[in-house]
Amino acid sequence: DTAVSQTPKYLVTQMGNDKSIKCEQNLGHDTMYWYKQDSKKFLKIMFSYNNKELIINETVPNRFSPKSPDKAHLNLHINSLELGDSAVYFCASSQERTGRGNTEAFFGQGTRLTVV
Amino acid sequence: AQSVTQLGSHVSVSEGALVLLRCNYSSSVPPYLFWYVQYPNQGLQLLLKYTSAATLVKGINGFEAEFKKSETSFHLTKPSAHMSDAAEYFCAVSAGRRALTFGSGTRLQVQP
Repeated sequence: DTAVSQTPKYLVTQMGNDKSIKCEQNLGHDTMYWYKQDSKKFLKIMFSYNNKELIINETVPNRFSPKSPDKAHLNLHINSLELGDSAVYFCASSQERTGRGNTEAFFGQGTRLTVV
Repeated sequence: AQSVTQLGSHVSVSEGALVLLRCNYSSSVPPYLFWYVQYPNQGLQLLLKYTSAATLVKGINGFEAEFKKSETSFHLTKPSAHMSDAAEYFCAVSAGRRALTFGSGTRLQVQP
C-alpha cells in the first residue's frame, strides 16, 4: 500500500483554469504538508495542517487554497492558473504533533503541473 | 529562523570512491537535521536524521552523517559509491514547530 499518494501524477492545463490535486496518507499521521519544487529542484513549504488545522501558511498567492476534510487528506486547489505555477507539487505527512519538529516527513510521488 | 546551505550543486565521483556531500545549517534553536534522497521522477526518501542523540548518524544504503555543532555542519558521506547512488540529495533542518526547510540540493553523479 502506498503510504502517501497523490493524484494526478501529471497535470497539463491552460492558463486561467482551476485545478485540484488530491493527497491521502494511510500512515495515521496528524500533520500533512504541501511543498512546491521548482525547475531548479528547490523545495519550498507552502502549507502544513495538523489534525485539519492550518499551522503554516507561507507566502503563497491566495489562488492556492488547501482543504483538509479529515486528517488523512489534504487537497490543494489552485484558481486562475498562471505559467509560473508550473512545478512539481509534493504532499507529505509526519507524526509531528509535539511542535518539536524532530520527526521525518514521508513524501508522495509528486504531481508535475504544467501550465500552458 | 532556520536555513540550510548545500555546497556544490553537482558532485561527480567514480564508482567505488568516497562520497562527500556538504551541508551547513543555521538555526536559532537546537536543530533537527535530515538528509533525503530523490531519484528521478520520484518523491523524497529519508536517508538519515539527527535528533540530538548520537552525533554520528547511520542511515540506509551505507550512508552516514556527522553533526558538528562547532562547524554548524551535517555532511553526508559514503565510503564507496555505487552506480545506484546517482540521485539528488537534499539536506533539511527543522527547528521548533516549523516544517522542514530544505537546501537547494546536490546532484550526485557516479561515473563507471
